[in-house]
Amino acid sequence: QKEVEQDPGPLSVPEGAIVSLNCTYSNSAFQYFMWYRQYSRKGPELLMYTYSSGNKEDGRFTAQVDKSSKYISLFIRDSQPSDSATYLCATGRTGTASKLTFGTGTRLQVTL
Amino acid sequence: NAGVTQTPKFQVLKTGQSMTLQCAQDMNHNSMYWYRQDPGMGLRLIYYSASEGTTDKGEVPNGYNVSRLNKREFSLRLESAAPSQTSVYFCASSVTDQPQHFGDGTRLSIL
Repeated sequence: QKEVEQDPGPLSVPEGAIVSLNCTYSNSAFQYFMWYRQYSRKGPELLMYTYSSGNKEDGRFTAQVDKSSKYISLFIRDSQPSDSATYLCATGRTGTASKLTFGTGTRLQVTL
Repeated sequence: NAGVTQTPKFQVLKTGQSMTLQCAQDMNHNSMYWYRQDPGMGLRLIYYSASEGTTDKGEVPNGYNVSRLNKREFSLRLESAAPSQTSVYFCASSVTDQPQHFGDGTRLSIL
């Protein structure tokens, strides 16, 4: 079993929809949580990161962490075609040289 | 703002050839990482360097070597390339316990 599980998709939504992307993790030692966005033929780009349970909002993006359920989510409001990309969740813990464990990524397509 | 720069962007090798992938960062980060990304497998850590002068194995180190040349540069070497090493390779860097920042990758094909 992988330490971080993520549905690979693809997920196709119409422009303007609310998108929910999710990951589960198994190691309760993970302390910080990130979402990366990866466009085709590009490197992952940091989108959101948080060190605690609860919600963190940045514009149209909200990251949610529930440590009791080991569940992390990314919500995208008013989705745009430019949001079409692969979204990777990642987790890590302090004292491990900042090593991260990644989900396999969810491919999102926002259609006009 | 260059961030993390990887060279080359593309490379085709024959089985048994050797090659070094180069990575440099200009953000004064202490930690650097090499990953490979394969379909359905996600990003897998090959080697990392927590600080200048140290390197450690990650999840899939077999067939690779690394050198932390200085604080800015971290290279990945394939001594005898195999078709199973066909992949996209990403370099990343970070400050301790902060998010990693990635380069745009090297697409490597081994025939």
